[in-house]
Amino acid sequence: KAGVTQTPRYLIKTRGQQVTLSCSPISGHRSVSWYQQTPGQGLQFLFEYFSETQRNKGNFPGRFSGRQFSNSRSEMNVSTLELGDSALYLCASRDSYYGYTFGSGTRLTVV
Amino acid sequence: SQQGEEDPQALSIQEGENATMNCSYKTSINNLQWYRQNSGRGLVHLILIRSNEREKHSGRLRVTLDTSKKSSSLLITASRAADTASYFCATEGMNRDDKIIFGKGTRLHILP
Repeated sequence: KAGVTQTPRYLIKTRGQQVTLSCSPISGHRSVSWYQQTPGQGLQFLFEYFSETQRNKGNFPGRFSGRQFSNSRSEMNVSTLELGDSALYLCASRDSYYGYTFGSGTRLTVV
Repeated sequence: SQQGEEDPQALSIQEGENATMNCSYKTSINNLQWYRQNSGRGLVHLILIRSNEREKHSGRLRVTLDTSKKSSSLLITASRAADTASYFCATEGMNRDDKIIFGKGTRLHILP
């Protein structure tokens, strides 16, 4: 079956702009989580959605938001981009028993 | 925080040797997972070991869990060049809504 699909793979944005990243989980997986990965901070949890509801949230400012649709696809949005938002954004889906299946990530560069 | 911490931060070994990475965590867990990440790509799930399990094998991988010491180890036997990657442990807490927390990883480099 198809894996977790993240689009786009690469993105360059200017400070102050906003960006929307998309994630399509594995068919049948209802849980989708988002992580930000940077060399200095490692993998930082952003949020988790389950059946269209945000089930958990990390310690990120309100500029970071997300949502999940009825088909389990998820989007995350970052508004008023800052240079420090440059990172690899990873989406992962899971079923109830096993660990995550990750997408290949979206590499966001803010200039 | 339940965050896992891997040790060592970096490891270089000769091809064919065994590689051992360790992970320590702070709070009670439901399970512990190991992931591999090749440069700049997504993480690949390797093994999940539950809190009531002590050892698990998958091919050349062997994972142990000691809940009394709050630690786990990942052993890769007969290493290959393709094993060069970063390895992360991740812990899931006891509560249903607990998020999975990742450590900062061990960078493994297999020398030819």
